[in-house]
Amino acid sequence: DAKTTQPPSMDCAEGRAANLPCNHSTISGNEYVYWYRQIHSQGPQYIIHGLKNNETNEMASLIITEDRKSSTLILPHATLRDTAVYYCIVLNTGFQKLVFGTGTRLLVSP
Amino acid sequence: EADIYQTPRYLVIGTGKKITLECSQTMGHDKMYWYQQDPGMELHLIHYSYGVNSTEKGDLSSESTVSRIRTEHFPLTLESARPSHTSQYLCASRGTNYGYTFGSGTRLTVV
Repeated sequence: DAKTTQPPSMDCAEGRAANLPCNHSTISGNEYVYWYRQIHSQGPQYIIHGLKNNETNEMASLIITEDRKSSTLILPHATLRDTAVYYCIVLNTGFQKLVFGTGTRLLVSP
Repeated sequence: EADIYQTPRYLVIGTGKKITLECSQTMGHDKMYWYQQDPGMELHLIHYSYGVNSTEKGDLSSESTVSRIRTEHFPLTLESARPSHTSQYLCASRGTNYGYTFGSGTRLTVV
């Protein structure tokens, strides 16, 4: 199982871009990078995922390095409601058990 | 609108009682999971299922049991609740394209 490494906490000013890094240096070729977030102990919420190309949706952008050993989740205009714990996880279609690390606690301040 | 439902949302129960936490999903997912999470701590997998009549224990030892008689239903049971079972329990199911979908959780307090 590929492991991920994330900084334990980050701060961001409201309205600015939040860039959350993730290291997954042991990722395999068939493993996707997924990002989830958990707001105040609610169930984790899916944000975005990608294999090797950069991805964008209404919530965020995902930038994956060419060697796929790291990625960055970008919240382009952070709001107070984006304060949460963000988890970076690697998965493949046959992977049965989702293992959460400690994630990054993002605090968005006014 | 949630596609995976957990009930109850909150539960306070006395020591020694038997309880069942309900989890249902409407997406037809084969794979379902139960996680346990203490406040401010990591999520730990306690049970999972590949499909009907399939159940497995997760990475964290748990005194709970699960059953999977129908695809959409994956209840978790504690035969005799203890204060050490106080925690949040999160149910999830897995599709093929978007990873896991989580329910809102059941916050259990055993007094």
